[in-house]
Amino acid sequence: GNSVTQMEGPVTLSEEAFLTINCTYTATGYPSLFWYVQYPGEGLQLLLKATKADDKGSNKGFEATYRKETTSFHLEKGSVQVSDSAVYFCALPSSGSARQLTFGSGTQLTVLP
Amino acid sequence: DTAVSQTPKYLVTQMGNDKSIKCEQNLGHDTMYWYKQDSKKFLKIMFSYNNKELIINETVPNRFSPKSPDKAHLNLHINSLELGDSAVYFCASSQAPGSGYEQYFGPGTRLTVT
Repeated sequence: GNSVTQMEGPVTLSEEAFLTINCTYTATGYPSLFWYVQYPGEGLQLLLKATKADDKGSNKGFEATYRKETTSFHLEKGSVQVSDSAVYFCALPSSGSARQLTFGSGTQLTVLP
Repeated sequence: DTAVSQTPKYLVTQMGNDKSIKCEQNLGHDTMYWYKQDSKKFLKIMFSYNNKELIINETVPNRFSPKSPDKAHLNLHINSLELGDSAVYFCASSQAPGSGYEQYFGPGTRLTVT
């Protein structure tokens, strides 16, 4: 079935540093790909998505490009802020009929002032 | 205006008790899910309902019983609670396939079994 492998954390950066969180996937066909963010004590929020190969999803300064050649969907941000501190999850729908999301293991990001 | 809501947000109970978590979505979605997040933040699907019908039942103990009285509601009842049931439980909904199976999540219910 479909699966994702996400960069191990935790990641600690200084404010204004460049962020990359790696995500690679294995999938049947070309499913949509998602990044979700979980702020402390909260539920998951969709950060961005890409629905087909070569699409770039972007939101709040974060970007990720759906690359079928490398089966990757890496999350990037040029200048992180303290408020970006959260857990980030890469996800894709399963290949089954219910299309539940399969999540990566999550990457804890801490941004220091 | 909350899209997906869950009650309660926190639930502290003793081993052996029975408890329920409620979920409601006002997005008009056809499909709803329960996920479990463990202490290491790992998320795993438990159940999925489509138009009130169960379509996924992962390897979850039968002490867990979901119920969907209508498309907008999916409740989770847990019998004979065990220490290992302590986790955060998330409800989610989606309107597949048009949105690429994007899911909207509730705020979570933190269950602590003592």
